[in-house]
Amino acid sequence: DAGVIQSPRHEVTEMGQEVTLRCKPISGHDYLFWYRQTMMRGLELLIYFNNNVPIDDSGMPEDRFSAKMPNASFSTLKIQPSEPRDSAVYFCASSLPATQETQYFGPGTRLLVL
Amino acid sequence: SQKIEQNSEALNIQEGKTATLTCNYTNYSPAYLQWYRQDPGRGPVFLLLIRENEKEKRKERLKVTFDTTLKQSLFHITASQPADSATYLCALDSGGNNRKLIWGLGTSLAVNP
Repeated sequence: DAGVIQSPRHEVTEMGQEVTLRCKPISGHDYLFWYRQTMMRGLELLIYFNNNVPIDDSGMPEDRFSAKMPNASFSTLKIQPSEPRDSAVYFCASSLPATQETQYFGPGTRLLVL
Repeated sequence: SQKIEQNSEALNIQEGKTATLTCNYTNYSPAYLQWYRQDPGRGPVFLLLIRENEKEKRKERLKVTFDTTLKQSLFHITASQPADSATYLCALDSGGNNRKLIWGLGTSLAVNP
């Protein structure tokens, strides 16, 4: 299995631009999580999906952030417009159903907003 | 609100010794706790999960304890090796049927040859 796939791996953009991060979960996993990691705040859950349905989006910072999961094998996290304070590493993770609480993380997208 | 604390200072130990990392939590009674390893530039990797009714769990050179009275988990790496050098993250479930995890900031471990 290829594991969780994220793209791009690095993104540098200017303030005000739209940023789209992409994630392909592990096949058969029906939970998908989007995280943001910074030195000061550590790993923060932004949103998670179960069977393509958003379950908890309480961590989404504000209306500039949106996430979608149109099918079981693809999800996007969009920031529009981007701001310098959005600079962080964004991780996608997936997990199995039932009692399998373990989360499998992708390599992350390092975002720098200038 | 729920709060998790891990050793904020980096831990430096000599190869072959046992490393012990601490995870303390407050205002909360988690059903389970997980430990992950994170290497620079990479995503966290799952190591062990321990449930509230389990006192101890082992996997090869790793051992995790869970004391719900002290609200503390200890993570041990025995016979440590330089390859064990990484940041170790503790994560707790947020309760109910929610799959949300609450994460500590991690402890950096350096094993010196």
